[in-house]
Amino acid sequence: GAVVSQHPSWVICKSGTSVKIECRSLDFQATTMFWYRQFPKQSLMLMATSNEGSKATYEQGVEKDKFLINHASLTLSTLTVTSAHPEDSSFYICSARDGGKSNYGYTFGSGTRLTVV
Amino acid sequence: DAKTTQPTSMDCAEGRAANLPCNHSTISGNEYVYWYRQIHSQGPQYIIHGLKNNETNEMASLIITEDRKSSTLILPHATLRDTAVYYCIVRVGYGDMRFGAGTRLTVKP
Repeated sequence: GAVVSQHPSWVICKSGTSVKIECRSLDFQATTMFWYRQFPKQSLMLMATSNEGSKATYEQGVEKDKFLINHASLTLSTLTVTSAHPEDSSFYICSARDGGKSNYGYTFGSGTRLTVV
Repeated sequence: DAKTTQPTSMDCAEGRAANLPCNHSTISGNEYVYWYRQIHSQGPQYIIHGLKNNETNEMASLIITEDRKSSTLILPHATLRDTAVYYCIVRVGYGDMRFGAGTRLTVKP
């Protein structure tokens, strides 16, 4: 079945630095990828939608200059958290839609736990 | 996309069927019902989806009422590994996936 690989699975960074998270579709071409953020004991919150070759669409309240999304190929999307601060510490999850499949759902990565110290 | 309502938490005995309800009274004709689950500190896992007919796969069954205003996810023989948060999501086919609070299912020995 469809597999989405997310890397790294966890990362600790210093406040003020930037962190890049990768999301790869391993066995299908993902025309659309989604990025979510999840705080402890809360549900997933959609941050942005990225389509291959075009600019990402951000949800209201998500700073596009802070959370840079690049979807340069059909198998890779990246999320860069710029100038990270402790309040950015969270669980970040990506998902991808197989452009060749019917609408039975999306595949999620295993998530990246970001801790900013 | 239509809003869904699920109980906050449920318990189930190991080996018994787990029946997780979901209300989606404002669902429109072209919206599907999807179920995902999230085991602690992992990404969500697809379980099943349906439009108006009942569906069954190797993981679960999905029962959708005739008026489509509610549905029930059935795990026929729950195991301890089924302990997770279960999300019922209603959306059009290629729409984005937005999560509500879900139901925290605890399977007890």
